[in-house]
Amino acid sequence: AQKITQTQPGMFVQEKEAVTLDCTYDTSDPSYGLFWYKQPSSGEMIFLIYQGSYDQQNATEGRYSLNFQKARKSANLVISASQLGDSAMYFCAMREGLSGNNRLAFGKGNQVVVIP
Amino acid sequence: GAVVSQHPSRVICKSGTSVKIECRSLDFQATTMFWYRQFPKKSLMLMATSNEGSKATYEQGVEKDKFLINHASLTLSTLTVTSAHPEDSSFYICSAREGSRVADTQYFGPGTRLTVL
Repeated sequence: AQKITQTQPGMFVQEKEAVTLDCTYDTSDPSYGLFWYKQPSSGEMIFLIYQGSYDQQNATEGRYSLNFQKARKSANLVISASQLGDSAMYFCAMREGLSGNNRLAFGKGNQVVVIP
Repeated sequence: GAVVSQHPSRVICKSGTSVKIECRSLDFQATTMFWYRQFPKKSLMLMATSNEGSKATYEQGVEKDKFLINHASLTLSTLTVTSAHPEDSSFYICSAREGSRVADTQYFGPGTRLTVL
């Protein structure tokens, strides 16, 4: 069964506008972590933001925020004030359990293109 | 901080040869590194988990004799693709666990694009 689901088709967003990328996850483990990574065309995977399952508040990192809805098992990424450099693939990932040795399960990714 | 390098960034080799890819954590020690493979327009597929000083743990379906992993130090893991064939052509990307931070996050290298002729 797929643990991370990202189903949005490629998205075009106007520069300076906000964009929300959907991510739903499936786990029976009460302890888990959720991650978002950005992959530009160069191929590198850039860590953006992390949300722990026990975190009470939604994570924020600069223009990135995570809309964590635990009951719905969703962890949507919000990018505010989009910039041309935000054009990339965005991957949602989950790690079950607390150990950093545990594997990350990745979704299929969302393609975002920011237009001027 | 949390910089991971990978070398080479791109390699083209003949079928039957072996290729070694290095993954280094530059500003932190990584007891655990991970090796992934990514096909065009696809997600990352975990190949193996590499632990410093011990044998790597391979995912189901990954041939350990074909993809040799060595994690000899706290800052270096290597992946050797032995007797490479065209079907091994892919984007290989490593990550290193940075355990000192709250998220205990994996930080990724820039990837290696392997083309086997």
